[in-house]
Amino acid sequence: GAGVSQTPSNKVTEKGKYVELRCDPISGHTALYWYRQSLGQGPEFLIYFQGTGAADDSGLPNDRFFAVRPEGSVSTLKIQRTERGDSAVYLCASSLFAGANEQYFGPGTRLTVT
Amino acid sequence: GNSVTQMEGPVTLSEEAFLTINCTYTATGYPSLFWYVQYPGEGLQLLLKATKADDKGSNKGFEATYRKETTSFHLEKGSVQVSDSAVYFCALSGGAGSYQLTFGKGTKLSVIP
Repeated sequence: GAGVSQTPSNKVTEKGKYVELRCDPISGHTALYWYRQSLGQGPEFLIYFQGTGAADDSGLPNDRFFAVRPEGSVSTLKIQRTERGDSAVYLCASSLFAGANEQYFGPGTRLTVT
Repeated sequence: GNSVTQMEGPVTLSEEAFLTINCTYTATGYPSLFWYVQYPGEGLQLLLKATKADDKGSNKGFEATYRKETTSFHLEKGSVQVSDSAVYFCALSGGAGSYQLTFGKGTKLSVIP
C-alpha cells in the first residue's frame, strides 16, 4: 500500500517568506508526527496529532511555526517569516494510533531559506 | 527529559567484519527502544525494536538487547555487507506518556569490499 507522502520534496524560499509543507499519512493511521532534521543530526520532534487535535506541540521552536490537521488525515506545517536557521529536512511520520510502537516516515521536505 | 546518546561516527568496516554501535539512553518510566536506518537517498526505516527490559530486537542479521540495568541498546551484526552502508539512529519513545521519538545524532556506517 501507499506509504507516507510529503510535498514538495524540495522548497527554496527567501528569508521572511511564508511556506507550507504537506504530509499525507498512511490511510487509517490516526496519529501523525512532524520532526525536523538538521544536517548531521537526528530528527527532532516538533508536534504530533491524534486525530484532528494537536496532542503535543512542545517541540515547536517558536510561534512562527504552526501545524493543522483539519480532517484527521492530511496535515500542513506552516512557517511564517522564515529565517535561514529554519533550513532543514522536515519529516512526517504516522502510526496506527498514538503510542503504537511503529512510526512510518515519509521521504521528507528539504527546506532551504536563502 | 528523554535523551539518547550514540556512538560518534563515521565508522568504516571491511565486508564481513563485526559491527557494534553503542547507544545509551536517559528516560523516565519504561520507554520502548528502536533502531532506525537511513540508506543513501531514502527515508528513515525502522530496523528493529524492543519494548521491555531484556527483550531482543532482531532484523536482517542485526540485533539489539534492551538492558535496563545499563540503560543501553547497542546494535550488533556479526558480518556486515556493503549494502549495510547507511546512517543508523537509536531512538526511544514513551516512558512518561510521551509518544514522540527522541533520536540520537546518528552513526554513519561505510562498509568497503
